[in-house]
Amino acid sequence: EPEVTQTPSHQVTQMGQEVILRCVPISNHLYFYWYRQILGQKVEFLVSFYNNEISEKSEIFDDQFSVERPDGSNFTLKIRSTKLEDSAMYFCASSRQGLNSPLHFGNGTRLTVT
Amino acid sequence: LAKTTQPISMDSYEGQEVNITCSHNNIATNDYITWYQQFPSQGPRFIIQGYKTKVTNEVASLFIPADRKSSTLSLPRVSLSDTAVYYCLVGDMRTSTLGRLYFGRGTQLTVWP
Repeated sequence: EPEVTQTPSHQVTQMGQEVILRCVPISNHLYFYWYRQILGQKVEFLVSFYNNEISEKSEIFDDQFSVERPDGSNFTLKIRSTKLEDSAMYFCASSRQGLNSPLHFGNGTRLTVT
Repeated sequence: LAKTTQPISMDSYEGQEVNITCSHNNIATNDYITWYQQFPSQGPRFIIQGYKTKVTNEVASLFIPADRKSSTLSLPRVSLSDTAVYYCLVGDMRTSTLGRLYFGRGTQLTVWP
């Protein structure tokens, strides 16, 4: 079964540094998403992306965040100047037809900001 | 999106059937009901989705009464590997909210030998 893959599995960075989290969605999917989960907390929506532009973003997704689909396969989340509170699991997801079809999630990148 | 209420935790033994009920009193006409499963340090995994009556797949069944104000996820003959958090989500899957799934706290299911 095709999978969403995310790299790296664990990223440690210092406060103020920039990080790029990478995702390879399922190949025939058209809708892409980033979610995050702070340890012990709920899974939270960050952003959705379709047709090379952001479809929707949450209040968490402020100016320090950006997303990009640099080529036909990768989907990235950039955090420009990391803060301690950005420490979380970041999940990428994709779907074939938006919310009409199930979201397939990757296994996440654990980001630790020190 | 309609708010959901589910038990915080449930316990079961291997081989038993587990039913997890979710309450969604404010469900709207266009809302669908979707269940996800999450293991520790993994992303949520889609289990099943339905609109009304009963839906069954190779993993689970979803029962939705006529008023749609609740739904029950049924897992037949659970095993230790079914220990996970189960999320009930309700939302309009056809609108422009193309990604905003709202995950609550979910139900921690623990299966004992």
